[in-house]
Amino acid sequence: AQSVAQPEDQVNVAEGNPLTVKCTYSVSGNPYLFWYVQYPNRGLQFLLKYITGDNLVKGSYGFEAEFNKSQTSFHLKKPSALVSDSALYFCAVRDSGTGANNLFFGTGTRLTVIP
Amino acid sequence: EAGVTQFPSHSVIEKGQTVTLRCDPISGHDNLYWYRRVMGKEIKFLLHFVKESKQDESGMPNNRFLAERTGGTYSTLKVQPAELEDSGVYFCASSQEFIGQLNSPLHFGNGTRLTVT
Repeated sequence: AQSVAQPEDQVNVAEGNPLTVKCTYSVSGNPYLFWYVQYPNRGLQFLLKYITGDNLVKGSYGFEAEFNKSQTSFHLKKPSALVSDSALYFCAVRDSGTGANNLFFGTGTRLTVIP
Repeated sequence: EAGVTQFPSHSVIEKGQTVTLRCDPISGHDNLYWYRRVMGKEIKFLLHFVKESKQDESGMPNNRFLAERTGGTYSTLKVQPAELEDSGVYFCASSQEFIGQLNSPLHFGNGTRLTVT
């Protein structure tokens, strides 16, 4: 069965420090991995995706994520956090093994960047 | 381009009443998805339309939920009768990907927050 785990409900980081939001997944085939961000009273916005190729993918707003097949992880990172990065972050996966189009999401991680 | 729009943004109803949520996808997007997030939980897939046809409705929780997409444009999701556990945020998303092309991101609306009291 497909699943996504975001082990941290809350991540706090000081402005200017590097941030990491963790994500691990489980699929039967090859994973298509996504990160979305939700700002207050807004919908989910696409940040970045991993489909194939280079394990380090770069996305919007200076975010990047590293695909690690052996650890089945896709952690979101940013070298220097901004207060405006404070939001709810969701990791999601599509399972190429099933052919299904639907995304499986994690429970979300609330990131708070402290000025 | 206009994004995915959802109406209403909030709805508060009593148990046993009926509520209809609406989603207008991005123009030209054949694929339309409904998802739901119950407080503090993961965002769960409900169903997927390709144009007016239901491609996958495996996530629909029970027969109190009815989704339609007449004409392949906007979609409605009706809950009748509503129960307390139906409370949550209902998201709609659309994409222009073709079937079998799984690497396109979805474009989400702002969601409808449904509260059943």
